[in-house]
Amino acid sequence: GENVEQHPSTLSVQEGDSAVIKCTYSDSASNYFPWYKQELGKRPQLIIDIRSNVGEKKDQRIAVTLNKTAKHFSLHITETQPEDSAVYFCAASMGTGGSYIPTFGRGTSLIVHP
Amino acid sequence: DTAVSQTPKYLVTQMGNDKSIKCEQNLGHDTMYWYKQDSKKFLKIMFSYNNKELIINETVPNRFSPKSPDKAHLNLHINSLELGDSAVYFCASSQGQANTGELFFGEGSRLTVL
Repeated sequence: GENVEQHPSTLSVQEGDSAVIKCTYSDSASNYFPWYKQELGKRPQLIIDIRSNVGEKKDQRIAVTLNKTAKHFSLHITETQPEDSAVYFCAASMGTGGSYIPTFGRGTSLIVHP
Repeated sequence: DTAVSQTPKYLVTQMGNDKSIKCEQNLGHDTMYWYKQDSKKFLKIMFSYNNKELIINETVPNRFSPKSPDKAHLNLHINSLELGDSAVYFCASSQGQANTGELFFGEGSRLTVL
């Protein structure tokens, strides 16, 4: 099965700095890579995703890059704000019977200090 | 008008008891999931159903039995609860046919086994 490694486990930055979280995956058949944000005590929610036919995707302050050859993908957050503090999960999946079943990384706890 | 709702939100019980968690989605999605989130925040897939059919059953003890009476509901029954079952259980759904891949999570059910 798929194995997703995520680093770092904890990331502490000052407000306004950039934050980068990196993930690697094992199954070259994976073709969908979402990122979820989980605030304390809340449910995980999708913030951005990328498919294997795209190398980079941006949405305001967040961007995701994908290197299929190396089997790694990264989340970039610029101009971090205290409300960005949360646990971020990367995931990798491939369509199976028409449904995507993501395997998650172990999460990165991002702390943004004001 | 909650998209994915699960009950109860909190569950405190003794070892050896049997308990159930219910999940319903009103998004018209084809696929539903149960994830377990342990104290270290790791999100691990337990089960996935597509149109009421079981498509994923990870290495979960057979004390856990999912039931999907229709594609809008996926309930989780746990027999003979053990201390290690303490976790937050998240139900989720996705639209397999549209293949956006996005998982919509419920609010989670925090199970504490004493």
